[in-house]
Amino acid sequence: DAMVIQNPRYQVTQFGKPVTLSCSQTLNHNVMYWYQQKSSQAPKLLFHYYDKDFNNEADTPDNFQSRRPNTSFCFLDIRSPGLGDTAMYLCATSRDAASGLETQYFGPGTRLLVL
Amino acid sequence: SQQGEEDPQALSIQEGENATMNCSYKTSINNLQWYRQNSGRGLVHLILIRSNEREKHSGRLRVTLDTSKKSSSLLITASRAADTASYFCATNGNRDDKIIFGKGTRLHILP
Repeated sequence: DAMVIQNPRYQVTQFGKPVTLSCSQTLNHNVMYWYQQKSSQAPKLLFHYYDKDFNNEADTPDNFQSRRPNTSFCFLDIRSPGLGDTAMYLCATSRDAASGLETQYFGPGTRLLVL
Repeated sequence: SQQGEEDPQALSIQEGENATMNCSYKTSINNLQWYRQNSGRGLVHLILIRSNEREKHSGRLRVTLDTSKKSSSLLITASRAADTASYFCATNGNRDDKIIFGKGTRLHILP
């Protein structure tokens, strides 16, 4: 049973052509995250939503935007992709826990190639 | 800067042997988690250890945490070919709603 779904799994786009990646979850978790992971590197947090509250990381480029229209869906928009944006993009969710952060559940990722 | 640093960066062992990976971090934490990532896939949560715990087991996995040394270790016993993957530690610090990943250890189990 899929819990965190990402579409598409693979995306090829041209330099400067906007692209949108989608993530959906069936876990009803409050928190959703977007990570960028380049080859042989650790996942790097871009931003996250705590319910509808958007939290941007200080070093996330303005080129990256996100939308969360409802609990289940979250989108990553790259307005003008550059060659350096070629990476795996991972979506994750976690449940709001009074005692602190709980496990994150990851989707399979979208591999983005910018040509 | 990243919170966790795994050691070693890469590890190759024979099937059946035990694999040990270490993680060091810099500031105080609420909990520390270990994740596995198969090549080209998403991350899978393995185990979470809270700051007031010293050791935790899950199947063939054993995790220790030493908050005085700001370090954790992940032991995989009786390794299998399917254990070939990258392993990341991740720490949750002062903020409750995000974690920071280390650089990871690439584990290769030789047949």
